[in-house]
Amino acid sequence: DAGVIQSPRHEVTEMGQEVTLRCKPISGHNSLFWYRQTMMRGLELLIYFNNNVPIDDSGMPEDRFSAKMPNASFSTLKIQPSEPRDSAVYFCASSDRGREKLFFGSGTQLSVL
Amino acid sequence: GENVEQHPSTLSVQEGDSAVIKCTYSDSASNYFPWYKQELGKRPQLIIDIRSNVGEKKDQRIAVTLNKTAKHFSLHITETQPEDSAVYFCAAREEKLTFGTGTRLTIIP
Repeated sequence: DAGVIQSPRHEVTEMGQEVTLRCKPISGHNSLFWYRQTMMRGLELLIYFNNNVPIDDSGMPEDRFSAKMPNASFSTLKIQPSEPRDSAVYFCASSDRGREKLFFGSGTQLSVL
Repeated sequence: GENVEQHPSTLSVQEGDSAVIKCTYSDSASNYFPWYKQELGKRPQLIIDIRSNVGEKKDQRIAVTLNKTAKHFSLHITETQPEDSAVYFCAAREEKLTFGTGTRLTIIP
């Protein structure tokens, strides 16, 4: 298995632009998580899905952030409009035992200028 | 919600010595405690985990201990090697995983 696949690896955009991050979980995993990592705040859980259904989005910072999981093999995290303070590494992770043993993707390094 | 505190934030040890990283958690209902290692520019990777019905678990040079009464758990790395240099994160799970703030471990050759 190729593991959790995220794209793009790097994204540089200007303030106000829409940003879409993509994730393909490990085949057969039924839980998917979006994390944001910054030096100041560490690893923060933004939202997670079980069986494609959003379970907890309490970590989503603002209405500018939205996430979808239209099927078991694909999820997106969208930021619209983006702001410089959104600059961070965004990780997607998946799990096949509910919420144990997370497998992380390589992350997307987002820079908003 | 769960709150996980981790210390120290940075740790330097001589190659061959042992390293210990400690975490405390707030929610007594938490029942799963993994440790992740993140090398520079890489993804976090699970290195060891423990469940609340176990007090200690060992895997070669790595061990984790859990004290449920005190609500703290620790990572022990023995005979450290340069490749152990990384950031280590603890986490605790009741409903969802909450991560500690990380420990940057540097092994001095």
